[in-house]
Amino acid sequence: DGGITQSPKYLFRKEGQNVTLSCEQNLNHDAMYWYRQDPGQGLRLIYYSQIVNDFQKGDIAEGYSVSREKKESFPLTVTSAQKNPTAFYLCASSMSGGAFYEQYFGPGTRLTVT
Amino acid sequence: AQSVTQLGSHVSVSEGALVLLRCNYSSSVPPYLFWYVQYPNQGLQLLLKYTSAATLVKGINGFEAEFKKSETSFHLTKPSAHMSDAAEYFCAVKRANAGGTSYGKLTFGQGTILTVHP
Repeated sequence: DGGITQSPKYLFRKEGQNVTLSCEQNLNHDAMYWYRQDPGQGLRLIYYSQIVNDFQKGDIAEGYSVSREKKESFPLTVTSAQKNPTAFYLCASSMSGGAFYEQYFGPGTRLTVT
Repeated sequence: AQSVTQLGSHVSVSEGALVLLRCNYSSSVPPYLFWYVQYPNQGLQLLLKYTSAATLVKGINGFEAEFKKSETSFHLTKPSAHMSDAAEYFCAVKRANAGGTSYGKLTFGQGTILTVHP
């Protein structure tokens, strides 16, 4: 079955540590995205990538970094510079070449930083 | 810039009753509109989308939505609620860039939590 996997489901870290969230897709999609979800705020775009070796900042990129070395993978690093890292993180992917294509979402990773 | 407003952060209905979740959008150009559903601690699943074809869009699980340009609305409805419909619902808008190609940023509303009572 094609889909998006995110690991781990739950992640706990101490303040001041960097942490990397995994996102893998086997849908053969060119575009991939990272969102942050906080209660009552909807989803906010952190970074997106339309093609391998290229990515752009979204609305809340400060304190985050990404890489896109392979089409299937788009890992997100939450750095110690992110002031409020505790949140639910969602990865998504879509076909490119048309804005009418919907995004497919992974199951999410809940990050707790104490 | 585009934006989405979902009226009502919480909606409660009885099983078998009509479900109506409201979504109004703001966009300077014709938009593409989406409704997603999220169950607790899970990712989002697409319910339906409007991409400038028919204004009445039918989706999965008996849901449908009507695009009304004059009202800038894209409300989600279901004639008869099931207990399994209890979830959080997100409306999202994407600006169709010039020529209908290239990346269009997806902007989400703040979500509406639907509760279904027996």
